[in-house]
Amino acid sequence: EDQVTQSPEALRLQEGESSSLNCSYTVSGLRGLFWYRQDPGKGPEFLFTLYSAGEEKEKERLKATLTKKESFLHITAPKPEDSATYLCAVRTDSWGKLQFGAGTQVVVTP
Amino acid sequence: GAVVSQHPSRVICKSGTSVKIECRSLDFQATTMFWYRQFPKKSLMLMATSNEGSKATYEQGVEKDKFLINHASLTLSTLTVTSAHPEDSSFYICSARDRGLAGYNEQFFGPGTRLTVL
Repeated sequence: EDQVTQSPEALRLQEGESSSLNCSYTVSGLRGLFWYRQDPGKGPEFLFTLYSAGEEKEKERLKATLTKKESFLHITAPKPEDSATYLCAVRTDSWGKLQFGAGTQVVVTP
Repeated sequence: GAVVSQHPSRVICKSGTSVKIECRSLDFQATTMFWYRQFPKKSLMLMATSNEGSKATYEQGVEKDKFLINHASLTLSTLTVTSAHPEDSSFYICSARDRGLAGYNEQFFGPGTRLTVL
């Protein structure tokens, strides 16, 4: 059975304190690993798609990396506006169906 | 680009009534749309996959007669919660795949619809 596990569940950071979120997965055939950001009461906002081990993508203070078993989302020098829940999802079928992890809630304090 | 809208954003209804939620891709064509349900402080759970012009594919445990999905055009899918009960109260979110993007894999999500059944 495909599984996606995110850790930690919650993360509290001081502004400027860099950290990493983990997404480990066990799937039969990975067709893409996705990172989304979700603010309370809103739909997820697309951040990155990674397809193969060794791939990296960056956007502002965020950098996503992928290995054969896990992905990391690095937050460099976070700001309070980076506070959100970060969701990891894997795609395993041709229709694009995504299986989500439980998310990591990040709070960045000034 | 790649904007997905949902309507309504919030709905409150009495038990036993039916509620329709619309999902639209505003600036792209979406051959496939997905419907998710999210409980407070929980992750998204896929309910069904909706392909334009064909019947939706429901995930195990999701009642197809309870949650009616129609994907009549490349920009519109609807979810109707029939005979709603308080346990159907939840945050419903749709997403759409952009058939035009080179990557073709990104899913873009709507802002969600908060359903409260009294």
